[in-house]
Amino acid sequence: AQTVTQSQPEMSVQEAETVTLSCTYDTSESNYYLFWYKQPPSRQMILVIRQEAYKQQNATENRFSVNFQKAAKSFSLKISDSQLGDTAMYFCALESGGSNYKLTFGKGTLLTVNP
Amino acid sequence: GAGVSQSPSNKVTEKGKDVELRCDPISGHTALYWYRQSLGQGLEFLIYFQGNSAPDKSGLPSDRFSAERTGGSVSTLTIQRTQQEDSAVYLCASSLWVQPGSPLHFGNGTRLTVT
Repeated sequence: AQTVTQSQPEMSVQEAETVTLSCTYDTSESNYYLFWYKQPPSRQMILVIRQEAYKQQNATENRFSVNFQKAAKSFSLKISDSQLGDTAMYFCALESGGSNYKLTFGKGTLLTVNP
Repeated sequence: GAGVSQSPSNKVTEKGKDVELRCDPISGHTALYWYRQSLGQGLEFLIYFQGNSAPDKSGLPSDRFSAERTGGSVSTLTIQRTQQEDSAVYLCASSLWVQPGSPLHFGNGTRLTVT
């Protein structure tokens, strides 16, 4: 069975500062994908960043980057220069087993960016 | 359309009534997914469609839940004889095809409240 654990239910950060959201996972598959999705109050889940397990280089997307530690099964998200619009629920998700239709999500971390 | 469209945005229904939730995926996306987001269970996979067929219905919680997709486009999720535990946000997503690592594009969801 696949599991995804986000141990921080809530976090806050001051505008312009850096924050790191934690995620650990478990899977028996050798190849898999990891995602961070953001869910603002509009409820729409928006893809933030994606990492393929076979790629050792950490993914980056503008102010968002990940620290992927495969051996430790850890996949943390770093947000630099936090902006008010980053306030949202952040979900870590795992896709494995050779198809993308059944993501396993963590419980989420509510991030609040304060002015 | 530009994104995944779901209707209604909110639905309040009495226990025992049937409800239909609609999802209009991004034009050209062959794969469509339904997820449920509830406070107690987090995000759960319900069902996915490849074209008009549903290869995996394993996430449907009971036989009161059914879904169909017609013309490879719009999908309807039907819940019969609604129960209070069905209260949740129902999220629809689509992707170009079912391929490992292919990101899902989500709609804004339908918030269902069963009274």
